[in-house]
Amino acid sequence: DTGVSQDPRHKITKRGQNVTFRCDPISEHNRLYWYRQTLGQGPEFLTYFQNEAQLEKSRLLSDRFSAERPKGSFSTLEIQRTEQGDSAMYLCASGAGGRYEQYFGPGTRLTVT
Amino acid sequence: AQSVTQPDIHITVSEGASLELRCNYSYGATPYLFWYVQSPGQGLQLLLKYFSGDTLVQGIKGFEAEFKRSQSSFNLRKPSVHWSDAAEYFCAVGWASSGTYKYIFGTGTRLKVLA
Repeated sequence: DTGVSQDPRHKITKRGQNVTFRCDPISEHNRLYWYRQTLGQGPEFLTYFQNEAQLEKSRLLSDRFSAERPKGSFSTLEIQRTEQGDSAMYLCASGAGGRYEQYFGPGTRLTVT
Repeated sequence: AQSVTQPDIHITVSEGASLELRCNYSYGATPYLFWYVQSPGQGLQLLLKYFSGDTLVQGIKGFEAEFKRSQSSFNLRKPSVHWSDAAEYFCAVGWASSGTYKYIFGTGTRLKVLA
């Protein structure tokens, strides 16, 4: 059990560019969540996967955001045409079916200049 | 609607002193309750969880929390704080809905520890 990993840890991009983040959950965890966290706030839910199916998306998730989990293992979160308001920490968490807790990765810090 | 409130944005305690961080939630039934700790620039680490049973739960790093249904509270405690406990602490509520698990988080309490 190596924990949840995320890549990259930090990303600086210019406004208008596309970025993609990767999350590798704990192996055999079928649930995967993406959250966004801004300074002084708790994590805000973005989207949820159960295996490869994306079961829920937050209203916070604009059309510029898309997430995939093609084989039910790792997941990617892509932001197109980034805006300065997208600057935040993007957190991934995973959980095993039938267990209620979730485990977080170290996050990807995005800075849009 | 479900909600989580952490009334204290900042708390400062001296090393060796006791600590209590407050968390109140709003949910119709008994939720799943969690406390997480986050160090600067890092992800969230699970400290402890409550699902059912004994209302006093023990976690890692010497932390404990007590679920009080009548007060809709799940306060985090530690009898003697160490300088390494300085971090941000988040309370979270989870529940099962339509075959999925959902969570919401409080806004956090930042703990400062004085030497």
